[in-house]
Amino acid sequence: GAVVSQHPSRVICKSGTSVKIECRSLDFQATTMFWYRQFPKQSLMLMATSNEGSKATYEQGVEKDKFLINHASLTLSTLTVTSAHPEDSSFYICSARMTSGGALWNIQYFGAGTRLSVL
Amino acid sequence: AQTVTQSQPEMSVQEAETVTLSCTYDTSESDYYLFWYKQPPSRQMILVIRQEAYKQQNATENRFSVNFQKAAKSFSLKISDSQLGDAAMYFCAYSTTGNQFYFGTGTSLTVIP
Repeated sequence: GAVVSQHPSRVICKSGTSVKIECRSLDFQATTMFWYRQFPKQSLMLMATSNEGSKATYEQGVEKDKFLINHASLTLSTLTVTSAHPEDSSFYICSARMTSGGALWNIQYFGAGTRLSVL
Repeated sequence: AQTVTQSQPEMSVQEAETVTLSCTYDTSESDYYLFWYKQPPSRQMILVIRQEAYKQQNATENRFSVNFQKAAKSFSLKISDSQLGDAAMYFCAYSTTGNQFYFGTGTSLTVIP
């Protein structure tokens, strides 16, 4: 149980194009999902917290207009990197937290990540 | 501000031996959660173990156990009978009862055959 699917796993795009990354909780409902960015051999950097049915909460320094987050249902959140540039190349990871899980509450379950390369 | 510190960027252990990874955190909260996550070369983050701050008993999951010292704000992970598959980056994490979730900088564990 508690599986999070992230798609695509790898994407290569041209500079100036937009890329959408999907994060789905397959066997549980997630009111809250998180989006992280990870640089090589570094820790996870929280970009934004996504709440179902409301606007995402972005961390300081993260451009809201560049990284659009939509959380339209209890099982799906999307991150769109708009007008991507080479500096946006990175590894993006999503996670989901159960809406209610008793002993499993407040555990973040992670997707497998998306490697974005912008040429 | 809450911070999580992992002072060991790299550690190594002989296969079948025991290794302890250190983690300290800073908080003024009394109710919170602590986690150890493992990130193997596939980069899939995997939950290893979770500890609730109000529980005095140290959490254990098979070969993995923690030493939770609340007063010292310390949360170390002990891996017993290390296996080659344990080789990974290990992240300590802290979470409040809200949405705040903080990761340490990670410890890269090498298992020597």
